[in-house]
Amino acid sequence: AQKVTQAQTEISVVEKEDVTLDCVYETRDTTYYLFWYKQPPSGELVFLIRRNSFDEQNEISGRYSWNFQKSTSSFNFTITASQVVDSAVYFCALSQGANTGNQFYFGTGTSLTVIP
Amino acid sequence: NAGVTQTPKFQVLKTGQSMTLQCAQDMNHEYMSWYRQDPGMGLRLIHYSVGAGITDQGEVPNGYNVSRSTTEDFPLRLLSAAPSQTSVYFCASSYSIRGTSPLHFGNGTRLTVT
Repeated sequence: AQKVTQAQTEISVVEKEDVTLDCVYETRDTTYYLFWYKQPPSGELVFLIRRNSFDEQNEISGRYSWNFQKSTSSFNFTITASQVVDSAVYFCALSQGANTGNQFYFGTGTSLTVIP
Repeated sequence: NAGVTQTPKFQVLKTGQSMTLQCAQDMNHEYMSWYRQDPGMGLRLIHYSVGAGITDQGEVPNGYNVSRSTTEDFPLRLLSAAPSQTSVYFCASSYSIRGTSPLHFGNGTRLTVT
């Protein structure tokens, strides 16, 4: 069975602090895809990154970085020097990459508040 | 490029009423889906479609119907609204039917059933 766990329900940090959002996944598939989405207070869901199971390279995009470790089934997201605009709910998701009828499995989200 | 368009943005229904949430995408995506978002439960898949004429159930399909007559449109019908269907609904589409591409989401519909 596929499952995504985001154990941190809510996190508060002071502006300019670094923060890491944890994502742990479960799957028996050898081919799968991991995603992060951001949901700001305005409510829309914004795609941030996709990673496939064969690519364990970490990725950095500006203040955002992602650490994918198959050994611990984790795909953690770090925001460096957080800003108030980073306040949002962040969702991690897993896709099986099945031949048909794919389903994305979402974690329950981590609500990040950046305090000015 | 409009992406995924959902209407309406807000809706209030009385128990037992029916309605259709509209979803349209202009990206020629084969995969479309409907999710509901409830506090503490993340996003749960209601129904999905991998192409025109093909639909299937997701995790929480009861009380909802869908159809896919065209590639662009994927409406979600509530047959007889219940308070348990109070939620925020998101339509999403993807280039890939195999889950290899990210989902593109509409802006959501906030539904309240009284």
